[in-house]
Amino acid sequence: AQSVAQPEDQVNVAEGNPLTVKCTYSVSGNPYLFWYVQYPNRGLQFLLKYITGDNLVKGSYGFEAEFNKSQTSFHLKKPSALVSDSALYFCAVRDGGKGNTPLVFGKGTRLSVIA
Amino acid sequence: NAGVTQTPKFRILKIGQSMTLQCTQDMNHNYMYWYRQDPGMGLKLIYYSVGAGITDKGEVPNGYNVSRSTTEDFPLRLELAAPSQTSVYFCASRMGGQGTEAFFGQGTRLTVV
Repeated sequence: AQSVAQPEDQVNVAEGNPLTVKCTYSVSGNPYLFWYVQYPNRGLQFLLKYITGDNLVKGSYGFEAEFNKSQTSFHLKKPSALVSDSALYFCAVRDGGKGNTPLVFGKGTRLSVIA
Repeated sequence: NAGVTQTPKFRILKIGQSMTLQCTQDMNHNYMYWYRQDPGMGLKLIYYSVGAGITDKGEVPNGYNVSRSTTEDFPLRLELAAPSQTSVYFCASRMGGQGTEAFFGQGTRLTVV
């Protein structure tokens, strides 16, 4: 069965510093990986995805993520954090070897950027 | 485009009452989903649909029912509300193709007392 782990419940970073939000996954087929962000009292917004191709994918708001097949990871990164990046971040996976299965989400990581 | 629209935004139910959470999308997406979000637990899939007339259970379907009579609408029905169903409910949709991302509604915050 497919699964996602986000090992950190909370990540704190100073404004202007680089940030990383970690995600590891488990699927039997090819992984289709996604990052979403949730601001308070809002729905989830799509940030970026990895389907195939370059291991480094770029997304909205200056975020990027690196796919690492050997470590089964898809960490979200940003070179310089903003206070407005403070939100709840979700990693999700779909098993590409099992047809159009629904996304499976991690438990989320709360990012707090401190001015 | 309006995207995915959920109504109501907030609701308080008494134990044993029933209600329907509405979800509609105007993007002509075949795939639609209902998730619930509980603090620290991420999103759990309740039901999903791959097209009009087709629905399937997700991870946590007990206590819920769905129907998909049109491409646009995917209502979620709670027949006998229980305190364990207190949660935030999200509807999502996506077009066909394994690599497509899902679009989410704003959510319905439900409290059962």
